[in-house]
Order: sequence, then structure tokens, then C-alpha cells
Amino acid sequence: GAVVSQHPSRVICKSGTSVKIECRSLDFQATTMFWYRQFPKQSLMLMATSNEGSKATYEQGVEKDKFLINHASLTLSTLTVTSAHPEDSSFYICSAGRVGGGEAFFGQGTRLTVV
Amino acid sequence: GENVEQHPSTLSVQEGDSAVIKCTYSDSASNYFPWYKQELGKRPQLIIDIRSNVGEKKDQRIAVTLNKTAKHFSLHITETQPEDSAVYFCAASRGVTGGGNKLTFGTGTQLKVEL
Repeated sequence: GAVVSQHPSRVICKSGTSVKIECRSLDFQATTMFWYRQFPKQSLMLMATSNEGSKATYEQGVEKDKFLINHASLTLSTLTVTSAHPEDSSFYICSAGRVGGGEAFFGQGTRLTVV
Repeated sequence: GENVEQHPSTLSVQEGDSAVIKCTYSDSASNYFPWYKQELGKRPQLIIDIRSNVGEKKDQRIAVTLNKTAKHFSLHITETQPEDSAVYFCAASRGVTGGGNKLTFGTGTQLKVEL
């Protein structure tokens, strides 16, 4: 299967600071990537669709100015959590797939803890 | 938008027994239905998927059935083993032309296989 790499796997930051999470497709080009958030013992909730070369599409209730998404190349999307608060602490995970649909390949996930 | 319901939320079975998890979806345009296994702190792993033009798919001990008319699909695991213990998520997607799948996840089922 295809490989999607996410970095960092864990990060602890102070309230008010910003954190950037990278998602890379290593062996295929991804014009579309997806960012999910998962709180403990809950499901994965789609936050936004990252589109290469254009603005991301955010799901209802997700603040676009707080969760900045940049998809500058066909293999890299970044999610920046700005002015982080403890309630932003969660497991963030990206996914990507080949053109034509089919299996979604997930990154390893990033455990964000805001203190 | 799509809404996916999943039952049961927890399921305990004896080793060697079968386990069945059921999901319903709301969007009749959804055409791709994957099932994921997620261990604590790790990325979801695809275990089986089915497209809307197929009613049943089997892979060794795992099978999925789809009823498009009723908009529900089920995961069947036979001869369960302790290593099957994990959280299982169903998902539904329309697919996107740019690649990958925008997934709507069910709420998850904690499966415990007891010795």
C-alpha cells in the first residue's frame, strides 16, 4: 500500500503558542488530503479537506483561522494549530489517497498536548 | 451531510466465537464503505472495504455485507482471537475525484475477545 507519513508523532506546547503538523505522501501524489481529529475514546471527525494549490474546505464548526491548512505541493499538507488552548489537545491524523478514490492511507497521527 | 451510526459500542465475545458489528448510513450517494481496526494511539488500519456495486465481500475470517436499499452494512469476524481485540470503525464515503476519500466514521465498537 501507499505510505503517508505524519510528523511529529507527539508534541507538547504551551497555551497560546502555535504548532505545525506535517503530512506527506511518500510514494504517490495527493491532490487532496484530509485532516481528522480524534478525542479520547471517540471517533475520527473530519476537520477539513486540504486541496493542493487552493484553499482548504473546512467542516462546519471548525475555525479556519485557528486551524490553518496549507497544501503547497502534491506531497505535503500542513496543519497549524494557532493560539493553542488545552481544549485543542487531541489526536490529529491526516489521510490521503490516489486519484480515482479507493483506499485512504492514514498518517501515524500526532498526539497534541497543550499545557 | 452523511451520518453514520454504529452498534454496538462495546462487544465482548469468547475466543472462537463470531462478532458482528452493524452500521447504517444516511447518504444514498455514498458508494464506498471501509472498515478500520484501531489500536490505542495508532492509526486506523483498513481491514476490509466494499463498494456499492457489491453485496458481500470476504477475506479469510472477515466479511462485510452491504444492503443498499436499507442503507446498512455489517462486519462479521469469525473464529475470533485475542489479537482481534481493538476498536473497530465503519465509514462511508462518496469518494472525491481528486483522489482519496472524505470519510464519515461511525462511533466505533470496542471489541474484546476473552480467553
